[in-house]
Amino acid sequence: DVKVTQSSRYLVKRTGEKVFLECVQDMDHENMFWYRQDPGLGLRLIYFSYDVKMKEKGDIPEGYSVSREKKERFSLILESASTNQTSMYLCASSPHGREQFFGPGTRLTVL
Amino acid sequence: GQQVMQIPQYQHVQEGEDFTTYCNSSTTLSNIQWYKQRPGGHPVFLIQLVKSGEVKKQKRLTFQFGEAKKNSSLHITATQTTDVGTYFCAGGYSTLTFGKGTMLLVSP
Repeated sequence: DVKVTQSSRYLVKRTGEKVFLECVQDMDHENMFWYRQDPGLGLRLIYFSYDVKMKEKGDIPEGYSVSREKKERFSLILESASTNQTSMYLCASSPHGREQFFGPGTRLTVL
Repeated sequence: GQQVMQIPQYQHVQEGEDFTTYCNSSTTLSNIQWYKQRPGGHPVFLIQLVKSGEVKKQKRLTFQFGEAKKNSSLHITATQTTDVGTYFCAGGYSTLTFGKGTMLLVSP
């Protein structure tokens, strides 16, 4: 079975802190994605990556950056966390053009 | 950009009743995928439809892709409490645009 893991299930940070969310997949998938999920807004794509060191902006990249130094790992970085970044963050991976496999999510609260 | 609309936003049914959620895209889709997210869980892939007019079944679930490849539906026959969750459609190829989902509640 494909496994996508995320570094934390719950995270509480303070405004202005730098936050790292880590995602690891074990199926050698080319594509990896970061979404945030908010009530009433569904899943919104923040950033995605087609390959190592490649990154593309999604629909809501402002306030975020990403890093993909190894194929299996895709990191989401909040340079200076703000309260409006309180959300559920979901990582996913997929082979090209195929279904996405999601991690369990990280619920981030920014105080 | 591409928009994917999903209705209804929410539906509450009695166990044994049928349920349908509808998905409409502002643009023609190369394919459509459906996901289910249980309460407290993460989205899990159900199925992918690629061909115009395609119909696929998974036990009590029937998925359809419209002839114009701009709409899709998921129908559940005789719902069970295990069907509870939010159902999302998503269109696209390399990246997916998700609908906002339909939350299904099933009362025993």
